[in-house]
Amino acid sequence: SAVISQKPSRDICQRGTSLTIQCQVDSQVTMMFWYRQQPGQSLTLIATANQGSEATYESGFVIDKFPISRPNLTFSTLTVSNMSPEDSSIYLCSVTTGVGGYTFGSGTRLTVV
Amino acid sequence: AQTVTQSQPEMSVQEAETVTLSCTYDTSESNYYLFWYKQPPSRQMILVIRQEAYKQQNATENRFSVNFQKAAKSFSLKISDSQLGDTAMYFCAFDTGKLIFGQGTTLQVKP
Repeated sequence: SAVISQKPSRDICQRGTSLTIQCQVDSQVTMMFWYRQQPGQSLTLIATANQGSEATYESGFVIDKFPISRPNLTFSTLTVSNMSPEDSSIYLCSVTTGVGGYTFGSGTRLTVV
Repeated sequence: AQTVTQSQPEMSVQEAETVTLSCTYDTSESNYYLFWYKQPPSRQMILVIRQEAYKQQNATENRFSVNFQKAAKSFSLKISDSQLGDTAMYFCAFDTGKLIFGQGTTLQVKP
């Protein structure tokens, strides 16, 4: 199955700034997924990123706040823009590994102060 | 819309004993995948077990097994011979072309 390298693993950021999270996959994948996990809660899908097209955002998430880049089949970035303390969460990327399987990055723990 | 429900926010079990985590889901689809993921404090999401809906046989992976009741839309996880390393948050997930997660169950294995 695919291996994902996610960076940074954690960061502490000032409110009003932006943070870009990167995911590098060791094989070509069609779709990449970005999730948010608020403290003590489950994973919520932010958006699905296909190479060569605009990301598809889930209800409650907008491109201005969470712009996504997908320049090729092995790489994607998620930016958390104009951060507030409410954005403090774990952010994870994920890819499909074929029929009936998903692999996750190791997550980015973001704290906004 | 597909939904996944885990009604047990927290559970505990003694080491070497057996514990069952519950999950129900709602869908109108006939063929799909269901998963159990484990998330230890390291926050890495680890696939525990996978079930294909068209297979009637319950999936098994070593100490982990599921009770898949398609008509009841139930997908419970049984952990046998619980180990301290099983302490984690467990998520039930439904595959719709993207994963929809339940709320999670925090499992504590006590020595």
